[in-house]
Amino acid sequence: AQSVTQPDIHITVSEGASLELRCNYSYGATPYLFWYVQSPGQGLQLLLKYFSGDTLVQGIKGFEAEFKRSQSSFNLRKPSVHWSDAAEYFCAVGDNNAGNMLTFGGGTRLMVKP
Amino acid sequence: NAGVTQTPKFQVLKTGQSMTLQCAQDMNHEYMSWYRQDPGMGLRLIHYSVGAGITDQGEVPNGYNVSRSTTEDFPLRLLSAAPSQTSVYFCASRGGRTLLRSGYEQYFGPGTRLTVT
Repeated sequence: AQSVTQPDIHITVSEGASLELRCNYSYGATPYLFWYVQSPGQGLQLLLKYFSGDTLVQGIKGFEAEFKRSQSSFNLRKPSVHWSDAAEYFCAVGDNNAGNMLTFGGGTRLMVKP
Repeated sequence: NAGVTQTPKFQVLKTGQSMTLQCAQDMNHEYMSWYRQDPGMGLRLIHYSVGAGITDQGEVPNGYNVSRSTTEDFPLRLLSAAPSQTSVYFCASRGGRTLLRSGYEQYFGPGTRLTVT
């Protein structure tokens, strides 16, 4: 069975600083990978996705992620964090054998210091 | 389009009560699913459906039933609520059977916060 690990439960960065959120996955085939963001009390919004091709994918709100097959990682990055980026971030892998239903990591809560 | 809608937004149940969480989508999506969200555990798949009349179990199906009689609706039933089912429940949908048609993007509803006392 596939799994996703987000090693950092909480991260605090200063506004304007760069950000990297880690994600490691376990999946037997070529993974479909996703990053979602959830603001407090809200649903999930898709930031970006990887299916194939270029291993560096661009998303909304200035986020990008890099797929590294050799490290089974799909880390999320942003060069300059804004206070509005404070939220919880989830990495997920899609199961091709189950209608691409998603397996999520435990999430990383991002706090932004002014 | 309203997208994915869920009702109710909040619900408090007593142990042993039953209820149905409603989910509807107006995007003509074939695939629908239910997840529960618990602190530190991300979202976990409860049940999913790949089309009307077809459902299957996810990671945590015990205590929940689903059916899919129409493309639009995918209700989740709690037969006898337990405190362990206190959670936030999200319904999601995605369209198409191929990567090109859907991009595999799942659209999530706003969630239902359920408390079982």
